[in-house]
Amino acid sequence: KNEVEQSPQNLTAQEGEFITINCSYSVGISALHWLQQHPGGGIVSLFMLSSGKKKHGRLIATINIQEKHSSLHITASHPRDSAVYICAVSGGSNYKLTFGKGTLLTVNP
Amino acid sequence: DAGVTQSPTHLIKTRGQQVTLRCSPISGHKSVSWYQQVLGQGPQFIFQYYEKEERGRGNFPDRFSARQFPNYSSELNVNALLLGDSALYLCASSSGTHNEKLFFGSGTQLSVL
Repeated sequence: KNEVEQSPQNLTAQEGEFITINCSYSVGISALHWLQQHPGGGIVSLFMLSSGKKKHGRLIATINIQEKHSSLHITASHPRDSAVYICAVSGGSNYKLTFGKGTLLTVNP
Repeated sequence: DAGVTQSPTHLIKTRGQQVTLRCSPISGHKSVSWYQQVLGQGPQFIFQYYEKEERGRGNFPDRFSARQFPNYSSELNVNALLLGDSALYLCASSSGTHNEKLFFGSGTQLSVL
């Protein structure tokens, strides 16, 4: 069993829909990262959080440390949000991040 | 300021050859980490360097090595290439080692034939 599990693996939505991507992990962590990867490979860090909730524009990330679960929400989704969203966790003071396999999001106009 | 830059962007090698990948971090960032991403999978941690010292190593064979230079740029070396080494190699930089935000380069796509 992977230490970081994401669901769903694939998600197709219509423009304007509310999107939720889930991440569960099985190890103790010091931080959880949500990353966005567009075709071609470039990765952008969206959020890094260790507790509570963060918001940036239309994106919201939450984490429940007790339940070892995090969610990434996208409000009013847009075709430009189409990308792979990756959850990663770090357990210590170095960047030995453990990554999920990613969720491929496609937002249709 | 320039972001994290990696070179080359694409590389084709044959089995048994050696390859060197390069990464320049964002100015002022002292930490560089390397990741391997096989097609369809999430990235896997290879190395982290901070202040020219190795601070972390993932589950990769000794064929993989890296170093960090005084200007904080870094090289990843892979010897005796195998077909399975074909992947996107990503470099990320950050200002420190304690869970700061990571900034990724666009990666080097390595194909081993």
